[in-house]
Amino acid sequence: QVQLQESGPGLVKPSQTLSLTCTVSGGSISRSGTYYWSWIRQPAGKGLEWIGRIYTSGNIDYNPSLKSRVTISLDMSKNQFSLKVSSVTAADTAVYYCARAHFTSDRFDPWGQGTLVTVSS
Amino acid sequence: DIQMTQSPSSLSASVGDRVTITCRASQSIINYVNWYQQRPGKAPKLLIYSASSLQSGVPSRFSGSGSGTDFTLTISTLQPEDFATYSCQQSYSTPLTFGGGTKVEI
Repeated sequence: QVQLQESGPGLVKPSQTLSLTCTVSGGSISRSGTYYWSWIRQPAGKGLEWIGRIYTSGNIDYNPSLKSRVTISLDMSKNQFSLKVSSVTAADTAVYYCARAHFTSDRFDPWGQGTLVTVSS
Repeated sequence: DIQMTQSPSSLSASVGDRVTITCRASQSIINYVNWYQQRPGKAPKLLIYSASSLQSGVPSRFSGSGSGTDFTLTISTLQPEDFATYSCQQSYSTPLTFGGGTKVEI
């Protein structure tokens, strides 16, 4: 059974870069077949926002609202994928989730437990 | 971007009630809708995909329907563990977008 776990600093200063890693266990990212890997975030008390996705082919899609500041990458040797958000502000404070998604329906399952990242000086 | 509007934003119900949550898309998305349940402090859990397909392991009291722009999630007989927030997600086009959520309260 595939499981995902986010890790990274819980506090980031304004204007700096937020960096998170998602470690996949119970299955190989490189042999994920009909799946891709995604990041989603949720500010406190608000709805979910899709950040972007990466395929094992290397193709990447970003949410245009964040595209200029976001980088998603894959490290198949470590069975991990990562997120970087540059020039962060308080508006980037949120719980960040990583998730696996199915090609054909873009359904997210499973999700990581989520990690709270606070942007504050 | 496709906007997903859920209604109501919250509702009060009792154990045993039938509950219906609606999600409206800003344009036709055929049947490209997924539904999630989120308990406080927890990650979302997939319930329904492609508008009406029940995710493996999800109780049959959950069902989804709709096409085009209007979709519904129905809980036939509300159980204590169903008190949570429910969100829809469109998968018709990127950026993938979610509804604002419907909180089901006692």
